Amino acid sequence: EVQLVESGGGLVQPGGSLRLSCVASGFTFSSYAMHWVRQAPGKGLEYVSAIDSIGFSTYYASSVQGRFTLSRDNSKDTVYLQMDSLRPEDTALYYCARGVLGAGLDYWGHGSLVTVSS
Amino acid sequence: DIQMTQSPSSLSAYLGDRVTITCRASQNITNYLNWYRQTPGRAPNLLIHTAHSLHVGAPARYSGGGSGTEFTLTISTLHPEDFATYYCQQSYATPYTFGQGIKLE
Repeated sequence: EVQLVESGGGLVQPGGSLRLSCVASGFTFSSYAMHWVRQAPGKGLEYVSAIDSIGFSTYYASSVQGRFTLSRDNSKDTVYLQMDSLRPEDTALYYCARGVLGAGLDYWGHGSLVTVSS
Repeated sequence: DIQMTQSPSSLSAYLGDRVTITCRASQNITNYLNWYRQTPGRAPNLLIHTAHSLHVGAPARYSGGGSGTEFTLTISTLHPEDFATYYCQQSYATPYTFGQGIKLE
């Protein structure tokens, strides 16, 4: 069974940092791109970042470019989202998802809540 | 970035109804269009990928249509769990943008 489990969220002050982790199981992790999508309270889905299967190529939404860094460790079946210079508008539930090339995000974790507030 | 626009903005229906939701892309995305369903407190679930293909495990009452810039999601017969929010997403080019979502009530 495919599972994605996020962790690392919490309450942080503006300007602070957090690192989210997403541990995968039930599939060959190194064969899939991984994505992060966030959802602010009561709002829709926002595509945040992606990394290819080998960690060679990454993508960031303009809203997080230069502040967030996505990486992966295929030996640990884990993807990491390092979030620096956090802003109140980054407050959201952050989902990790598995991507199938051109065919959407087929499995999602339950999300990790990030709250940026003083 | 490719903009995705869903219509109508909200939708009311009854159990057993047939409903269709529309998604429009700001440029040609061929068939790289996906549909998700999200119920309150849960992560989104992939229903349809590449415009027409039913995701493994998704109910057969869901079907997708369209290509280019206009796409549809049809639910043939509404079940209780279908009263949820639906999102389209393009996977033609990063960022893989989502529509604003449509809440089916």
